[in-house]
Amino acid sequence: ETGVTQSPTHLIKTRGQQVTLRCSSQSGHNTVSWYQQALGQGPQFIFQYYREEENGRGNFPPRFSGLQFPNYSSELNVNALELDDSALYLCASSLKLRTSSYNEQFFGPGTRLTVL
Amino acid sequence: KQEVTQIPAALSVPEGENLVLNCSFTDSAIYNLQWFRQDPGKGLTSLLLIQSSQREQTSGRLNASLDKSSGRSTLYIAASQPGDSATYLCGRGYQKVTFGTGTKLQVIP
Repeated sequence: ETGVTQSPTHLIKTRGQQVTLRCSSQSGHNTVSWYQQALGQGPQFIFQYYREEENGRGNFPPRFSGLQFPNYSSELNVNALELDDSALYLCASSLKLRTSSYNEQFFGPGTRLTVL
Repeated sequence: KQEVTQIPAALSVPEGENLVLNCSFTDSAIYNLQWFRQDPGKGLTSLLLIQSSQREQTSGRLNASLDKSSGRSTLYIAASQPGDSATYLCGRGYQKVTFGTGTKLQVIP
């Protein structure tokens, strides 16, 4: 069984640029959630994708967008990068049986984004 | 707005001690509770999941309890080891996970 993988592991961008982060969900899972974790803080929910549709969104601006593909892998896109976007970006996958259910979430190793 | 609080923020104990980490929530709505471990700069490792209908879960030296009426959960670690040193996060799970800021644990050999 393959766990959750994320790429790249580290990324350095400059303010105003755009970035795409990728996540491969664990085998058998149909849901991917993205979180942003600033240094010394708990992860903050960005959004969730279930069966290729956005299924909930946290308090993040529209320049944070995402996709989920038929194989349930996912991308997180951030446009017009700001200095405060520097953080560890985590994705988590789970097997969801219906839109409102919660099942154990398994996290990837994260992508460390630095915005200069 | 759902708030999750973890106390203490940091804890340092000698090897072999039993310890308790605390997690509390601002509401007692139906939810699941998941405990995670995070090593510096790394992702989260799931430790225990307590479904809303359950009161506790155990895995090895770890035991987690959930009291919905008071909106609290505790993680008990028995016979702590230096390898347990990490940040422990609790998360309220309902569609998404709402996290506390974690307890940073250091176990001194």
